[in-house]
Amino acid sequence: KNEVEQSPQNLTAQEGEFITINCSYSVGISALHWLQQHPGGGIVSLFMLSSGKKKHGRLIATINIQEKHSSLHITASHPRDSAVYICAVSLHPPEYGNKLVFGAGTILRVKS
Amino acid sequence: SQTIHQWPATLVQPVGSPLSLECTVEGTSNPNLYWYRQAAGRGLQLLFYSVGIGQISSEVPQNLSASRPQDRQFILSSKKLLLSDSGFYLCAWGGPSYNSPLHFGNGTRLTVT
Repeated sequence: KNEVEQSPQNLTAQEGEFITINCSYSVGISALHWLQQHPGGGIVSLFMLSSGKKKHGRLIATINIQEKHSSLHITASHPRDSAVYICAVSLHPPEYGNKLVFGAGTILRVKS
Repeated sequence: SQTIHQWPATLVQPVGSPLSLECTVEGTSNPNLYWYRQAAGRGLQLLFYSVGIGQISSEVPQNLSASRPQDRQFILSSKKLLLSDSGFYLCAWGGPSYNSPLHFGNGTRLTVT
C-alpha cells in the first residue's frame, strides 16, 4: 500500500461543476502539498498546509490531521483547470533533505 | 524573486550517448535541490537530492549520476544512456525548513532512441 493515496485516479467533469479530489496518507506528516501539473509537464505548487483550510481563488484545500485526509476542491470548474493534481506530504519527523512522498496524481479533464 | 531554470526542454539522444541536464536556481541561497523522473503515466520518482555543494544523495540505483558544483547549480548526467532512461525529468528546489514549499522547473522530456 502506498503511503499517499489519491482518488479518483481519473475525473471528467462538465464546465461549472464542483470538483473534489481526495488524498489519504498513512504516515506522520508535518505538511501536505497540493501540486498542479499541466499538459506541458511543468508543475506548480498550489497549497502547502498543515491544518485547517486554505483558499486561493476557486481552489480550496482542507486537511484533517486526525483522519489523515486532505481534499482539494475546485469551484465553478473551467476547461483550463484540466491538469494532473498531485498530493505530496512532508514526513514527520522530517527526513534528511526534506524529501516529499508523492501520490500518483489525479487526472482531471473539464469539458466545455 | 526566486526562479528555477532547467534546460533543455526536450532532448532526443541515441542509446549509449552521454547526457547532461542542467538546473540553476536564482534568488535563494543554500537550497535543497532535487532531481525527479516521471515515466509516462506514472508518478514522480525522486532520483537524487542535495542539501549542499558536493553533497549528493541517491534514492535509487540507476544509470544516472548527479553533481552540485555550485550552490545553485544541479546537474544530472549519464555516461551511456539506456532506452529505459527515457522520461520526463524535473528539477526542484526547496528551503531548508521542513515546511518549505517545493518549486519545480519546467522539465526536460528525454527520448532515448
